[in-house]
Amino acid sequence: DTGVSQNPRHKITKRGQNVTFRCDPISEHNRLYWYRQTLGQGPEFLTYFQNEAQLEKSRLLSDRFSAERPKGSFSTLEIQRTEQGDSAMYLCASSFFEGTYEQYFGPGTRLTVT
Amino acid sequence: AQTVTQSQPEMSVQEAETVTLSCTYDTSESDYYLFWYKQPPSRQMILVIRQEAYKQQNATENRFSVNFQKAAKSFSLKISDSQLGDAAMYFCALVTTSGTYKYIFGTGTRLKVLA
Repeated sequence: DTGVSQNPRHKITKRGQNVTFRCDPISEHNRLYWYRQTLGQGPEFLTYFQNEAQLEKSRLLSDRFSAERPKGSFSTLEIQRTEQGDSAMYLCASSFFEGTYEQYFGPGTRLTVT
Repeated sequence: AQTVTQSQPEMSVQEAETVTLSCTYDTSESDYYLFWYKQPPSRQMILVIRQEAYKQQNATENRFSVNFQKAAKSFSLKISDSQLGDAAMYFCALVTTSGTYKYIFGTGTRLKVLA
């Protein structure tokens, strides 16, 4: 297994455009998390999936954000009508249900909104 | 609310020397885990070391060890025999065993290793 992968690695978009990011977790991991990391800060939790069910969403996740995990495999995070404040690194992590609570992180997608 | 605080934005250490990174946390939960993650420049975060709150013994992983003071809610990371490859951002993270097991991260400490 090659670990958690994220695509694209970098995305530059103009304000007002929609963007979609993809995360492919480690195959046997049924828990999937999205975090956002801005410069000089630690990652902040956005949302969590257990299999295909989205079980928690942070207040950081405004109604312009939507996340899905169809069939409990890969996940997508969409941001509609992007704003400059959305510029950040978006991290995906996965973990196994019965375990030590360790999360495995992907390399992230860096979004720049101009 | 749970919080994690890393009060050292940046630390420097000479190669082969020892450095300690500080982390304090706050939670009302009794069962939780603490982690140190390393984030090299432009690379993904990897786990350095894990500590279960119910264990009194401090975790060690090769050159990395922690000083876990549960009553003081302190969780520091000691890196011995520092190497150039240790240069990275280090994040302290807390997860409780209730709820969705999301991480609460500190703001990170940038470690520079001087040759």
